[in-house]
Amino acid sequence: QKEVEQNSGPLSVPEGAIASLNCTYSDRVSQSFFWYRQYSGKSPELIMSIYSNGDKEDGRFTAQLNKASQYVSLLIRDSQPSDSATYLCAVVNTNAGKSTFGDGTTLTVKP
Amino acid sequence: DAGVIQSPRHEVTEMGQEVTLRCKPISGHNSLFWYRQTMMRGLELLIYFNNNVPIDDSGMPEDRFSAKMPNASFSTLKIQPSEPRDSAVYFCASTMTAGSQPQHFGDGTRLSIL
Repeated sequence: QKEVEQNSGPLSVPEGAIASLNCTYSDRVSQSFFWYRQYSGKSPELIMSIYSNGDKEDGRFTAQLNKASQYVSLLIRDSQPSDSATYLCAVVNTNAGKSTFGDGTTLTVKP
Repeated sequence: DAGVIQSPRHEVTEMGQEVTLRCKPISGHNSLFWYRQTMMRGLELLIYFNNNVPIDDSGMPEDRFSAKMPNASFSTLKIQPSEPRDSAVYFCASTMTAGSQPQHFGDGTRLSIL
């Protein structure tokens, strides 16, 4: 079992729809969680961070964390073609100080 | 502010040659990470430094790989001798506090070993 698993893609949604990206992790002491977006040929860039159980909203993006279920998700509302990218979930064991990344989910938003 | 700066952006070399990748972290960041990304294996952590000291190098594939951080503003990743299977994109990232803060990635070095 991988330490961080993301829902297998590719994921395709129509423009304006909600895209739902999921991530599960195995290390129970993980304390910091990040979502990165990576366009083809580019480097990962941070879009959301979440540290506490519940929801965190930032514009069209909502991150959800459930530590009991070891689950973190990212919702993208009103999806736009410019959201088409690979989304990487990163889980951090604060004590170890390093991030473990999932393999990513590739999202395509069709006009 | 300048982001993480990596050089070169692209490197093409022949098998057996020495390759040196360079990274300048964001000023004030205490932690620096080297990653390798391939289609098959995704984004893999090779090594990370905290306050210029290597903390975890368990991801370094083998003795052909070495990394140094002689000061807070510079790090190198060296492959000697290089092999075709080392072809990948190598990213450097830095953060203020490893673990609790997000990482900022450089643009990467696309390495091709012929």
